[in-house]
Amino acid sequence: GESVGLHLPTLSVQEGDNSIINCAYSNSASDYFIWYKQESGKGPQFIIDIRSNMDKRQGQRVTVLLNKTVKHLSLQIAATQPGDSAVYFCAEIPNTDKLIFGTGTRLQVFP
Amino acid sequence: KAGVTQTPRYLIKTRGQQVTLSCSPISGHRSVSWYQQTPGQGLQFLFEYFSETQRNKGNFPGRFSGRQFSNSRSEMNVSTLELGDSALYLCASSSSQLADYEQYFGPGTRLTVT
Repeated sequence: GESVGLHLPTLSVQEGDNSIINCAYSNSASDYFIWYKQESGKGPQFIIDIRSNMDKRQGQRVTVLLNKTVKHLSLQIAATQPGDSAVYFCAEIPNTDKLIFGTGTRLQVFP
Repeated sequence: KAGVTQTPRYLIKTRGQQVTLSCSPISGHRSVSWYQQTPGQGLQFLFEYFSETQRNKGNFPGRFSGRQFSNSRSEMNVSTLELGDSALYLCASSSSQLADYEQYFGPGTRLTVT
């Protein structure tokens, strides 16, 4: 499959455990944030988003937390499954309206 | 509804050549954005087209260009290819301009420059 990054930080978790993937963003003017999942051989897939007027948003098995004070974003995946194995990217949208992606974190789920 | 399609999926070119990549957005989507993905630089925004007009542009040299047709299909062109242009080129579409935010990505075109 496609290699999306050779030097990505890697998070290894056991199936059934919760995963927390962190991201530091750069622009304090960013008002919208998105988490994407990229599986081998595929393009990034939208997971969940959050606006800057919120500090938490929940989806199905996923929660995004936003800490604007320290410009930090996290993605929590509950009961991680083998199908969650992928590279996860955070992205911010500053007032330039361009998506700026983070470097990505590789999540490996072990049985 | 069909997803975003990109052609070709794989391409090998030599230095100095030019290349054209194609993207067909989801039906009804009018915004198409292009990204370059490399192991060293990650995902970088190239440009966005909306209704045949370039709305935003990233920090890439003029060798990288694009266009959008009236049916929202988009092409990007890279002229005078360099080894460093080897990358996965991703196209994403959304229903309006980038402000719609939920972009749908295609599988990408893997370009190798030798």
